[in-house]
Amino acid sequence: QKEVEQDPGPLSVPEGAIVSLNCTYSNSAFQYFMWYRQYSRKGPELLMYTYSSGNKEDGRFTAQVDKSSKYISLFIRDSQPSDSATYLCAMSRVRGGATNKLIFGTGTLLAVQP
Amino acid sequence: NAGVTQTPKFQVLKTGQSMTLQCAQDMNHNSMYWYRQDPGMGLRLIYYSASEGTTDKGEVPNGYNVSRLNKREFSLRLESAAPSQTSVYFCASRGTGASGYTFGSGTRLTVV
Repeated sequence: QKEVEQDPGPLSVPEGAIVSLNCTYSNSAFQYFMWYRQYSRKGPELLMYTYSSGNKEDGRFTAQVDKSSKYISLFIRDSQPSDSATYLCAMSRVRGGATNKLIFGTGTLLAVQP
Repeated sequence: NAGVTQTPKFQVLKTGQSMTLQCAQDMNHNSMYWYRQDPGMGLRLIYYSASEGTTDKGEVPNGYNVSRLNKREFSLRLESAAPSQTSVYFCASRGTGASGYTFGSGTRLTVV
């Protein structure tokens, strides 16, 4: 069983839709949770970062963590064609430290249709 | 622009050939990483370097070697390329106390 599970999609939605992307994990020691966005033929870029449980909002993006269920979500409101990308979740036990490596999900491919 | 620079961007090798993938960062980060990304497999860690002069194996190190030349540069070498090493390779770095990685734009390697 993988430590982090993520539905690979693809997920296709019309422009303006609310998008929900999710990951589940098995290691209860994870405390730091991230979402990366990866455009086609580009490297991943950090989109959202949250610590422990709760919500964090940044513009049209909301990251949500439910540690009791070992479940994290990324919501995109008013989705735009420019949001079309692969979204990867990542998590770690502690902050920083080279040996504390990020564990990544496999990524969900999102396509927002104009 | 500050960030992580990878060269080359594309490469085709024949089975058995060798090559070195180069990575350099200008953010004064201590930690550097090499990942490969394959469809359905996600990002898998090959090797990492906690600081200049140290390297450690990741999840899939077989067939690869690395060198942390200085604080800025971390290279990945394929001594005898195999078709199974066809992949997209990403270099990443992380600063002290930071949670996230900064990734390069990747090297697309095909081994025929």
